[in-house]
This record gives sequence, structure tokens and C-alpha cells, in this order.
Amino acid sequence: DVVLTQSPATLSVTPGERISLSCRASESVDTYLHWYQQKPNESPRLLIKYASQSISGIPSRFSGSGSGTDFTLSINGVELEDLSIYYCQQGNSLPTFGAGTKLELK
Amino acid sequence: EVQLVESGGGLVQPGRSLKLSCLASGFTFSNYGMNWIRQAPGKGLEWVASISSSSSYIYYADTVKGRFTISRDNAKNTLYLQMTSLRSEDTALYYCALNYGSSFDYWGQGVMVTVSS
Repeated sequence: DVVLTQSPATLSVTPGERISLSCRASESVDTYLHWYQQKPNESPRLLIKYASQSISGIPSRFSGSGSGTDFTLSINGVELEDLSIYYCQQGNSLPTFGAGTKLELK
Repeated sequence: EVQLVESGGGLVQPGRSLKLSCLASGFTFSNYGMNWIRQAPGKGLEWVASISSSSSYIYYADTVKGRFTISRDNAKNTLYLQMTSLRSEDTALYYCALNYGSSFDYWGQGVMVTVSS
């Protein structure tokens, strides 16, 4: 199975700052890497697909980059509503998820 | 609007069985692959099983292989998960999700399964 390692596990943020979350795969997944946001007591929501493709209805401050084994989710100007857990997921083989990065208020 | 509504969860004793359902609407169900993904309390996401649009391709996580069976009825727009030989570690919120390619684009609200004596 492809193991996805997300870092950091927790990130303390200040509204307005630009942040980057990392997802590293144990082997190449090409660009079959997707990002999800899960707010407390809600279902996950797809944010970015295939490493960098934007999703209709998702704010433009969210962007993704990377290929192979190293991927980044960036939020340009964090807002309070972005305080959530973010998961990466690979689809190059049987699906696996990273353990998540939790964004909290500094 | 895509809607996925899970049902069938509850409290069940270890070793017993339970069948989950997911009723889909707002899209042509028979055209898309479907999946079950679970989340244990306070934990991350774990993919459980996938089924292709015509049921030709079915895949399971090793943790449930041989115990769980995914199926679908395209005439009823419904996805199923038959769970047998349940264990305490199967306790989780079970989501059904629609995939476009390899991403899970839409998720249901989830249904809780608790395995306990």
C-alpha cells in the first residue's frame, strides 16, 4: 500500500497568512493525489483533485502543487472558516489517505 | 444536486452482521463508481471498498476482505455494504462516496456502526 505522510500534524495559524501543508507518498503516485477538507461534525469535501486541479465552488485561495511523491496544499490568506482537518488521498493504486493536518487558531 | 443518503447503521454485537445502504439521487447512478469509506471515532479516513458502475470491478481493503461485500442495484439507485463477522475495530462512521476517476467527489453524511457487546 502507498503510505501518505502529512506534515505538520497540527498547524497554528493567524487569519490572513499564507500557509502550506505537505503530503509525501512512499512511492510515486504521479499526479493521482487529491485533497479534502473536513470541518468538525461534517463530511469531507473535495478541495483539489489530481494535485492541482481546482474544484467548482471551492474558494480560489486554495491551490495545490506537486507530482511524484511530494505534494503541497496552499491556502493564500487563511480565513477562520478554514480551521479544519485536511487530508490527502492517492488514487494511483488502491486508495489510501494521509493521517491529516489540523489547522487551529494561533 | 447530488445527494447520497446512508442508512442501516446501529449497535451490533461482535461476530454479527449488518447491511448498510446508500440511496443516490441527483445524478445518473449507473454511470459512476461508488465507494465506502469509514472513519473511526476521533480518527482519520480509511477507504473500505469500491465498485465500478456496472459492478464489473470490485476492490476491498485488506482489513475487510472476506468479511464485507459491496454491491449495487442500479435500478434502485442504491449502493450496499454487507458486513459480516463484525469486530470492535469496525466501529466507525461509514460514508458512501461517488468517484470521478480516482477522487471522491461527493460524500454522504455518514451512518454510524458500533460493534460492542
